[in-house]
Amino acid sequence: AQSVTQPDIHITVSEGASLELRCNYSYGATPYLFWYVQSPGQGLQLLLKYFSGDTLVQGIKGFEAEFKRSQSSFNLRKPSVHWSDAAEYFCAVDWQAGTALIFGKGTTLSVSS
Amino acid sequence: SAVISQKPSRDICQRGTSLTIQCQVDSQVTMMFWYRQQPGQSLTLIATANQGSEATYESGFVIDKFPISRPNLTFSTLTVSNMSPEDSSIYLCSASASGSYEQYFGPGTRLTVT
Repeated sequence: AQSVTQPDIHITVSEGASLELRCNYSYGATPYLFWYVQSPGQGLQLLLKYFSGDTLVQGIKGFEAEFKRSQSSFNLRKPSVHWSDAAEYFCAVDWQAGTALIFGKGTTLSVSS
Repeated sequence: SAVISQKPSRDICQRGTSLTIQCQVDSQVTMMFWYRQQPGQSLTLIATANQGSEATYESGFVIDKFPISRPNLTFSTLTVSNMSPEDSSIYLCSASASGSYEQYFGPGTRLTVT
């Protein structure tokens, strides 16, 4: 079955340090890839998406993600984390237009001072 | 992009009762989806709601428990029926336009069943 894996349940980084959140999807046709962020008590906000073209995509809030077909991965990165980045991050994929997204289990990001 | 609103934003309900959640989109969309997010968990799809047809439910979700309406291209409702404490979750509505892979999410409805 098609699936999305976020191997890290919880990550803590120091403010100002770099961040990488991992996401892998089950092999097959290249899906459409998304990263969402959910702050406590809030809805989902789209950070960035990859459909085709340049495999390094830029998103909001200084985030970027790189699609690597050979590794079936779409890892999220940020060069310098801010305390306000503490939240839950979800990777999601879609293999067919008009169908629902498949979400990973999420990674909780904590930021220490 | 589409802006999605949900009502209510949160509610506390007694077991055995029902709650209807409304989802309004500011533009016409083809596909609307309802997800459930249990405490500390990821999002699980409940059903897909297309205008003019019956909703399609995922395994583990049934129409009697989660009836859905989709009367037009901008609106949908999800009812959580005969609630139990296990139904305490965040319920999120999302929407996408025809042929689009991008989905927009509402802010969610936080439901607590006592």
